[in-house]
Amino acid sequence: QSVLTQPPSVSGAPGQRVTISCTGSSSNIGAGSDVHWYLQLPGTAPKLLIFGDSHRPSGVPDRISGSKSGTSASLAITGLQAEDEAAYYCQSYDTSLGGYVFGTGTEVTVL
Amino acid sequence: EVQLVESGGGLVQPGGSLRLSCAASGFTFSNYWMHWVRQAPGKGLVWVSRIHGDGRVTDSADSVKGRYTISRDNAKNTLYLQMKNLRAEDTAVYYCVREGWFVGSAFDIWGQGTRVTVSS
Repeated sequence: QSVLTQPPSVSGAPGQRVTISCTGSSSNIGAGSDVHWYLQLPGTAPKLLIFGDSHRPSGVPDRISGSKSGTSASLAITGLQAEDEAAYYCQSYDTSLGGYVFGTGTEVTVL
Repeated sequence: EVQLVESGGGLVQPGGSLRLSCAASGFTFSNYWMHWVRQAPGKGLVWVSRIHGDGRVTDSADSVKGRYTISRDNAKNTLYLQMKNLRAEDTAVYYCVREGWFVGSAFDIWGQGTRVTVSS
């Protein structure tokens, strides 16, 4: 049950900037719950990309950034590279459900 | 090296039971909340259950409440997921996940996953 909505796919040419939106509600993102982002390459486990709305774990390049406003969050990838082709998921905590929720997932394609 | 290794997946008939295990290494297991997250074939990630480091507090998604039980053995550095009354819709890859300390409670370490198939 995905209560966080993401676009199914986004695409861009190498070097371009793409953004992925994550739309929630007043019981999750809008309630102030942190938003985290994960990257999943085909056939592999997800990997943490952004935590606490906008913070990068060590090893994640600074061309990856996150932001949050109101009931939505966004992930931006600048200087798009072939290696960025993957599925991306946002995640937060929902106070009404009393559990953790993931976004619907977005496939990034490098043209 | 910090690592989570799941095992116990397989093919089970509807109504059957299965126990998944997750062996943790490279960190002080008892200090962390641990979770199970699943992913049905071709679908997105779904949170399943969590357990506090001391094992006394647990939480589960409504879809598995009453059927799944999460537990841990800190002496063995192992997380478990007991699943019963399995349904076709429980078919998924199940990931063992650590909730990090310095990452705003994000899921910072993931296992490679174990596949569960519920089918007759």
